[in-house]
Amino acid sequence: GAVVSQHPSRVICKSGTSVKIECRSLDFQATTMFWYRQFPKQSLMLMATSNEGSKATYEQGVEKDKFLINHASLTLSTLTVTSAHPEDSSFYICSALDRAQRGPQHFGDGTRLSIL
Amino acid sequence: DAKTTQPPSMDCAEGRAANLPCNHSTISGNEYVYWYRQIHSQGPQYIIHGLKNNETNEMASLIITEDRKSSTLILPHATLRDTAVYYCIVRVPDSGGSNYKLTFGKGTLLTVNP
Repeated sequence: GAVVSQHPSRVICKSGTSVKIECRSLDFQATTMFWYRQFPKQSLMLMATSNEGSKATYEQGVEKDKFLINHASLTLSTLTVTSAHPEDSSFYICSALDRAQRGPQHFGDGTRLSIL
Repeated sequence: DAKTTQPPSMDCAEGRAANLPCNHSTISGNEYVYWYRQIHSQGPQYIIHGLKNNETNEMASLIITEDRKSSTLILPHATLRDTAVYYCIVRVPDSGGSNYKLTFGKGTLLTVNP
């Protein structure tokens, strides 16, 4: 079945640093990838849609200069949390859509980000 | 996208069938019903989707009422590992692009008890 890999699974870093999270589709090409954020005991909230070869589309209230998204290939999208602060601590999840099918999105296992 | 309503929580005995309801009374004719689940501290897992006919796969069955205003996800023999939050999402299955974003509600926390 379709597999989406997310790395790292967990990261702890100091306030003010930047953190990069990778999302890879392992056995299919993904024209579109999505980045979600989930706070404790809440549902997933879409942050942005990542399109291969073009600029990402951000949801209302999500700062594009804070959350940099790069989708340089059909199998890789990255999310960089710049100058991270404790309030950015969250569970970040990516998903990918197989360009060849009208199938469902497949999700990575998420990245637990903790900013001290 | 049409809005869905799910009970916040349900319990089920291990080995029994788990029936998770979802109301989507405003669903339009070209919208599919998707089910995902999220086990604690993991990403959501796709389960099944359907338009109007009942669907079955190795994980579950999806029963959609004739008027399509509600559906039920059935896990035929629930195990402890099925404990998760189950999300019912109604969406048009675009072939790609930002129109295909999924909107997650609060879902149903299914707890399978030994």
